[in-house]
Amino acid sequence: QKEVEQDPGPLSVPEGAIVSLNCTYSNSAFQYFMWYRQYSRKGPELLMYTYSSGNKEDGRFTAQVDKSSKYISLFIRDSQPSDSATYLCAMKKSGGSNYKLTFGKGTLLTVNP
Amino acid sequence: EAGVAQSPRYKIIEKRQSVAFWCNPISGHATLYWYQQILGQGPKLLIQFQNNGVVDDSQLPKDRFSAERLKGVDSTLKIQPAKLEDSAVYLCASSLESGGRADTQYFGPGTRLTVL
Repeated sequence: QKEVEQDPGPLSVPEGAIVSLNCTYSNSAFQYFMWYRQYSRKGPELLMYTYSSGNKEDGRFTAQVDKSSKYISLFIRDSQPSDSATYLCAMKKSGGSNYKLTFGKGTLLTVNP
Repeated sequence: EAGVAQSPRYKIIEKRQSVAFWCNPISGHATLYWYQQILGQGPKLLIQFQNNGVVDDSQLPKDRFSAERLKGVDSTLKIQPAKLEDSAVYLCASSLESGGRADTQYFGPGTRLTVL
């Protein structure tokens, strides 16, 4: 079993839809959870990060972490064509020398005008 | 603020040839990362530097890959000899510091390597 599982999609939605992206993980040591957005032929850029369980909201984006279920989500409200990209979840353990980010495969999202 | 710079952007080589990639991190960033992103996969960490020392190279195929970060600024990643399975995008990232918290990693645009 991979440490981080993410449905690669592709996911296609109409403009204005609510998008839900998800990842599951197996390692309970993960404490920091991130979502990166990667446009075609570009490097990933950090979109959201959360520490431990809970919700975090930033504009149209909401990140949720449920450590008891080892499940994280990213919600995009009022989706726009400019949101079309690959969304990567990533996570890392806390403390010590455990600095490595472990990424999911990414979900390709297309928002149609 | 200038971002992470990488060159070249694209490279095509034949198997068994050698290739080198260059990265210039954001000014003042102590930590530099090299990732390999195979098509349809998430980035995989190859090596992490803190200033000019190696923090983690556990996933670097050391029989063919090497990396250095002289003077704690620019970095070079080399593959010699290349194999077909090395075809991927090589991403460089940097962060202000490396710690137990979610310090933000800033990624460059990557170098797309094709091995024929």
